[in-house]
Amino acid sequence: QKEVEQNSGPLSVPEGAIASLNCTYSDRGSQSFFWYRQYSGKSPELIMSIYSNGDKEDGRFTAQLNKASQYVSLLIRDSQPSDSATYLCAVNSPSGNYQLIWGAGTKLIIKP
Amino acid sequence: NAGVTQTPKFQVLKTGQSMTLQCAQDMNHNSMYWYRQDPGMGLRLIYYSASEGTTDKGEVPNGYNVSRLNKREFSLRLESAAPSQTSVYFCASREQGTGELFFGEGSRLTVL
Repeated sequence: QKEVEQNSGPLSVPEGAIASLNCTYSDRGSQSFFWYRQYSGKSPELIMSIYSNGDKEDGRFTAQLNKASQYVSLLIRDSQPSDSATYLCAVNSPSGNYQLIWGAGTKLIIKP
Repeated sequence: NAGVTQTPKFQVLKTGQSMTLQCAQDMNHNSMYWYRQDPGMGLRLIYYSASEGTTDKGEVPNGYNVSRLNKREFSLRLESAAPSQTSVYFCASREQGTGELFFGEGSRLTVL
């Protein structure tokens, strides 16, 4: 069973601090990794995609990938109350054609 | 640019009734997906269509049928609705080069 694991939270972070979200995956053959943000009652929205080891930065967001350790993380700098949402990690399934394997999500709460 | 459009957004059915959820995308994507999302359970794949003319079962296909009408449209049908099918349904399409999924706004279905 291919899995993607995330801490369900809630993760509470003070406004202005760095929020760190983590995700581990089981399939060493996975090559594509995605972070989605989902506000309550809304659909998932793509934040970042990452394909190579290392860091990828986009504004206040940084995705980090370590294939050897099979984890991917998302850092949110200068956290804002509007960042409060559930963050979903998704990983491509090399054996499941065209499919993504989804984590259950981490609920992030930014406290003013 | 509408992206992925789903209809209806809300629906209430009685047990045994049938209905079709419609989905259309205007991004010229080959692959389309239907997911359901239940509280605490994350996204579960119902069916997907890798390309026009093909459909495949996902993780939870029982009780559902799909039709890939053309490249733009992918519908999900419940032939005889059951209370266990009460959920939020998301349609998504996949950008071929990046593997990124883009979601519709969701359809909230209640089966009484």
